[in-house]
Amino acid sequence: NAGVTQTPKFQVLKTGQSMTLQCAQDMNHNSMYWYRQDPGMGLRLIYYSASEGTTDKGEVPNGYNVSRLNKREFSLRLESAAPSQTSVYFCASSSGTTYNEQFFGPGTRLTVL
Amino acid sequence: ELKVEQNPLFLSMQEGKNYTIYCNYSTTSDRLYWYRQDPGKSLESLFVLLSNGAVKQEGRLMASLDTKARLSTLHITAAVHDLSATYFCAVQDTGNQFYFGTGTSLTVIP
Repeated sequence: NAGVTQTPKFQVLKTGQSMTLQCAQDMNHNSMYWYRQDPGMGLRLIYYSASEGTTDKGEVPNGYNVSRLNKREFSLRLESAAPSQTSVYFCASSSGTTYNEQFFGPGTRLTVL
Repeated sequence: ELKVEQNPLFLSMQEGKNYTIYCNYSTTSDRLYWYRQDPGKSLESLFVLLSNGAVKQEGRLMASLDTKARLSTLHITAAVHDLSATYFCAVQDTGNQFYFGTGTSLTVIP
């Protein structure tokens, strides 16, 4: 089992460029999440998908879009990158049941110049 | 919006000593999680606390939850260098959103 995988690991963009971060899980989890981690601010939820076919905004959704492609895959898109989106992005998944611990991917370090 | 506060933010402790990290949250929840993050790495689940009075222990770490006080603690017993990491608590609201504390950076000094 690979758990939660993310691609790419590193990315540098110029302001205004677009990109998609990919996430996949092989644990048959119902719920998937996208977070960003900035120094001194912990993790902040961008979007989540409680189950296949649904997506909801988290704390900081502005400037992002998501797609729950199927039960395994959940992608995050930046349509027009801004320097404020420089961050480390983590994808996570959880069963969606009572015991709902999250399993995290390795992260994507994104720099927007 | 649910707020989660951890303290201390930074903790430097000697090997062999005991200490407690505190996690306070602002609204009712009975689902609290603790995670560990090593520098440059991802987050690893440590404990899941699902009810008032829940206590979980793993090695030198023990976590507890008091839902009435909206407080969770992570107690470290006889610290060793391998416990150096950043520790996060996270609270799940009545929906499916998670709110993380800002983390406690723990350094254990020989």
